[in-house]
Amino acid sequence: NAGVTQTPKFRILKIGQSMTLQCAQDMNHNYMYWYRQDPGMGLKLIYYSVGAGITDKGEVPNGYNVSRSTTEDFPLRLELAAPSQTSVYFCASSQTGGRNEKLFFGSGTQLSVL
Amino acid sequence: DAKTTQPPSMDCAEGRAANLPCNHSTISGNEYVYWYRQIHSQGPQYIIHGLKNNETNEMASLIITEDRKSSTLILPHATLRDTAVYYCIVRVPSNTGKLIFGQGTTLQVKP
Repeated sequence: NAGVTQTPKFRILKIGQSMTLQCAQDMNHNYMYWYRQDPGMGLKLIYYSVGAGITDKGEVPNGYNVSRSTTEDFPLRLELAAPSQTSVYFCASSQTGGRNEKLFFGSGTQLSVL
Repeated sequence: DAKTTQPPSMDCAEGRAANLPCNHSTISGNEYVYWYRQIHSQGPQYIIHGLKNNETNEMASLIITEDRKSSTLILPHATLRDTAVYYCIVRVPSNTGKLIFGQGTTLQVKP
């Protein structure tokens, strides 16, 4: 099993450009998440999904959009990139939520907006 | 979610047990303690979690004090590959995906 796969690993954007960060998991997990991690800081939840067709905002959703058309995929869309969105983005999945929520993370996408 | 306090760094000799403490004195009755680690900017890795009883899995043991105000993560035989930042997180199960990562403890395992 590949687990959680994120693409691309690195990307440089110009201010105002758009892009989609891809995330796929092959563990048949219902829950999927997007986080961002700024240098020297902890992770902040952007969006999450508890199943196909269901998404919800996390702590820092502004400037991002998501969709969940299949169980496997959970892409994150940046519409108008800003320097404040320079960060490392992690996608994660878990079989369940609640007290037994155990997140499996991808290897991350390092994004720079210049 | 309750705030946690961890020492910023610790050293451990390879092959010895690593004991990582976490203080969560304001924890409430329905909050669980989770431990994750992050190795050199990779994605975080789940280690273990518990409510009030001690827990053990293939990676580690979690000891939670009786008053639940503190806990200790134990890596029984640390290896160089255990060098990482370890995060103690306290959360209410209903807060889906909400992992509030503090500064964590940087564990350096030395040969």
